[in-house]
Amino acid sequence: QVQLQESGPGLVKPSETLSLNCTVSGGSISTYYWSWIRQPPGKGLEWIGNILYSGSTNYNPSLKSRVTMSVDTSKNQFSLRLSSVTTADTAVYYCARGEWWFDPWGQGTLVTVSS
Amino acid sequence: QSALTQPASVSGSPGQSITISCTGTSSDVGTYNYVSWYQHHPGKAPKVMIYDVSKRPSGVSNRFSGSKSGNSASLTISGLQAEDEADYFCCSYAGGGYVVVFGGGTKLTVL
Repeated sequence: QVQLQESGPGLVKPSETLSLNCTVSGGSISTYYWSWIRQPPGKGLEWIGNILYSGSTNYNPSLKSRVTMSVDTSKNQFSLRLSSVTTADTAVYYCARGEWWFDPWGQGTLVTVSS
Repeated sequence: QSALTQPASVSGSPGQSITISCTGTSSDVGTYNYVSWYQHHPGKAPKVMIYDVSKRPSGVSNRFSGSKSGNSASLTISGLQAEDEADYFCCSYAGGGYVVVFGGGTKLTVL
């Protein structure tokens, strides 16, 4: 069965760029859309965007100016970059398979923005 | 503030049925049959319970069902069990430049 695992720094300084990878195992990344979703502490989920294996992307308009997603089919991996972060970007970041419904999800990784 | 509105909490006793509502607008829930529901136990990966309003993925108990009326969707859990205690989130495609929106989540307590 397909499994996803997020990886990346757990601490990022304000104004810097948050970078996360999601490694897909048990299946090929070369099908489906792949998404990033986050949950700030004590708040609800927020869709960040998705990417197709071909590299086509869709981003949440509220984050679009700061988000870049990419895919590396040779590593079965896709990535998220969020620039100019602030403390409001502190959240658990999840990667998931899917376009507008998501299955499966990774366990999530907490990224804290702090100096 | 989340785009979709859910009650903060619901509760029920084992064996009972509960319903969690998810209220959106004519731009999301009201127009698209792309509502999904997720069960989230803290510290674990969220799990899809319902997609496309009322479809159940393989392996999900038939105690879970989904429906939609107008701008609102609902998740019903029948025959409540202790392991159903979790947070539940709704989600909808919102079109218009391609957006996906979530609800704020509902904490289900099994008494």
